[in-house]
Amino acid sequence: AQRVTQPEKLLSVFKGAPVELKCNYSYSGSPELFWYVQYSRQRLQLLLRHISRESIKGFTADLNKGETSFHLKKPFAQEEDSAMYYCALSPRGYGQNFVFGPGTRLSVLP
Amino acid sequence: DTGVSQNPRHKITKRGQNVTFRCDPISEHNRLYWYRQTLGQGPEFLTYFQNEAQLEKSRLLSDRFSAERPKGSFSTLEIQRTEQGDSAMYLCASSLGGGAGDEQYFGPGTRLTVT
Repeated sequence: AQRVTQPEKLLSVFKGAPVELKCNYSYSGSPELFWYVQYSRQRLQLLLRHISRESIKGFTADLNKGETSFHLKKPFAQEEDSAMYYCALSPRGYGQNFVFGPGTRLSVLP
Repeated sequence: DTGVSQNPRHKITKRGQNVTFRCDPISEHNRLYWYRQTLGQGPEFLTYFQNEAQLEKSRLLSDRFSAERPKGSFSTLEIQRTEQGDSAMYLCASSLGGGAGDEQYFGPGTRLTVT
């Protein structure tokens, strides 16, 4: 069965410091990987997906199939990045049966 | 269109009662999803519709749960004979469909408390 793990429940960094939110997955096929973000009092929203290979709000994520990881990175954290971040996997590549990780709360300190 | 809407936003019910939640997706979206989220966890997939057809249900979804999307527009999620373990946030999402990894747009959720 597919599974997504995010080892850190809470990650605190100072403004301007690099950020790495870890995500590991287990799935035997070729997954689609996503990062979703939820800012305070807002809805869950897509941050980025691996197939797009894009950088959103300075965040990037690379799919490493050998290590089954999809870590989210940003070189210089901003206070407005403080939010809950969820890594998610779609096993069939068409977004039907999403599996979300437990989430990591990022707190960027001034 | 203001996005995905869900009603009610909060529901308190006594154990054993039935509850029904409604989700109105973004109008042109073909796909509609239901998730359940408990404290400290990510959203857990419950079921998924492509237009009016329910194409997938989680094995974790007990027989007390049923979902419909009768005209391919809004959807309802009913929980019969509620139990305290059903207390959670129920999220609805919709997507345009038709491609790999299409973006899901989430609603604000319905928070269910079973006393």
